[in-house]
Amino acid sequence: QVQLVQSGAEVKKPGASVKLSCRASGYTFTTYSVHWVRQAPGQGLEWMGWINAGHGNTKYSQKFQGRVTIISDTSATTAYMELSSLRSEDTAVYYCARGNYDILTLDYWGQGTLVTVSS
Amino acid sequence: QTVVTQEPSFSVSPGGTVTLTCGLSSGSVSATYYPSWNQQIPGQAPRTLIYSTNSRSSGVPDRFSGSILGNKAALTITGAQADDECDYYCVLYMGSGIYVFGTGTRVTVL
Repeated sequence: QVQLVQSGAEVKKPGASVKLSCRASGYTFTTYSVHWVRQAPGQGLEWMGWINAGHGNTKYSQKFQGRVTIISDTSATTAYMELSSLRSEDTAVYYCARGNYDILTLDYWGQGTLVTVSS
Repeated sequence: QTVVTQEPSFSVSPGGTVTLTCGLSSGSVSATYYPSWNQQIPGQAPRTLIYSTNSRSSGVPDRFSGSILGNKAALTITGAQADDECDYYCVLYMGSGIYVFGTGTRVTVL
């Protein structure tokens, strides 16, 4: 079965960077994309960007352009999302999700990783 | 900046029917936006219910259905149950690899 397992919670200071992982299993990693979506406390879902897991090309939300980097390691079937210059407003649960090119949707989700930014 | 709008909240009686909508701050939603709907129980990860306007994901009960109503995407829950009480988010494909989530609707069943 399709599974996306994310890394554990992180606590970071303002100005630091955080790198989260999302390990995929149960499907051919390189034939789908991996998206990253975040949710601040009490707020809605916010799309951040995605990576073509096979080719490595990326697309980012304009809001995060310049601060976010998504990469994939095909040998480890794992995608990573790094967010830099953290501020308190980046405190959120970060989700990865599988992107399906045929139906242009996010069809399976990871369990989420809480990132807390605090001095 | 495009805003995808949803009703903030809806209340439905057990066994009743409710239709949630997903619109654009400017323009109309059509099937070319590949609208999908996600269900999120507070404290849990989202779950995709509907994709490509009206296709149900595996294991999703048929009381959930998707459509285009006028100039918006819609999610209808027919025969609402207590465990349908949670948050619902639409997401639209805007083209050029860009996706935007709706503002979300909290559904209460009482």
